[in-house]
Amino acid sequence: QITLKESGPTLVKPTQTLTLTCTFSGFSLSTSGVGVGWIRQPPGKALEWLALIYWDDDKRYSPSLKSRLTITKDTSKNQVVLTMTNMDPVDTATYYCAHSHWTLFDYWGQGTLVTVSS
Amino acid sequence: DIVMTQTPLSSPVTLGQPASISCRSSQSLVHSDGNTYLSWLQQRPGQPPRLLIYKISNRFSGVPDRFSGSGAGTDFTLKISRVEAEDVGVYYCMQATQFPWTFGQGTKVEIK
Repeated sequence: QITLKESGPTLVKPTQTLTLTCTFSGFSLSTSGVGVGWIRQPPGKALEWLALIYWDDDKRYSPSLKSRLTITKDTSKNQVVLTMTNMDPVDTATYYCAHSHWTLFDYWGQGTLVTVSS
Repeated sequence: DIVMTQTPLSSPVTLGQPASISCRSSQSLVHSDGNTYLSWLQQRPGQPPRLLIYKISNRFSGVPDRFSGSGAGTDFTLKISRVEAEDVGVYYCMQATQFPWTFGQGTKVEIK
């Protein structure tokens, strides 16, 4: 079955760079149509789409965050990495990675809470 | 960006009664390939989101048939035919017709 798990720091300081890793199993990121995306959710708020990387290395970013985000994949390790620079307290949120098949998110990780505070 | 607007934001429902959530997009979600990439997700308390419905009306694997989706163009609806206790949570619509993909604000379904 498809599973995904996010990992990374739970606490980062303002201005620091956040690096999150999504480790997955049950699918290959070299299969046509497959992608892995990142979505975040501030406490008590709605979901926000951040970035998506497809099997062919096509990368898509939220325009409002594009200058701060980088998404990469390591197909051999079954991992996708998201980096976000210049972290701010407003970036405090639960960060999810999710499996995408073309145009939907059908499997989600449990999420990881990242707090930005000095 | 396409803005997704859900109504209501909160929906108190009696167990066994139906519930309906509306989602409106700021522009048509019909893709150039003819498909409409509108999904519905459920987020139970303390849980990650779960896909319920994709492409307007297709139930995802394992989703009970009391959940149904309908609509076209810019107006979409999620219906729960008979609400059960396990349906409590927040429901989101999401469009994937155009990047960036966007979510609605969420509708909280709770039991009266």
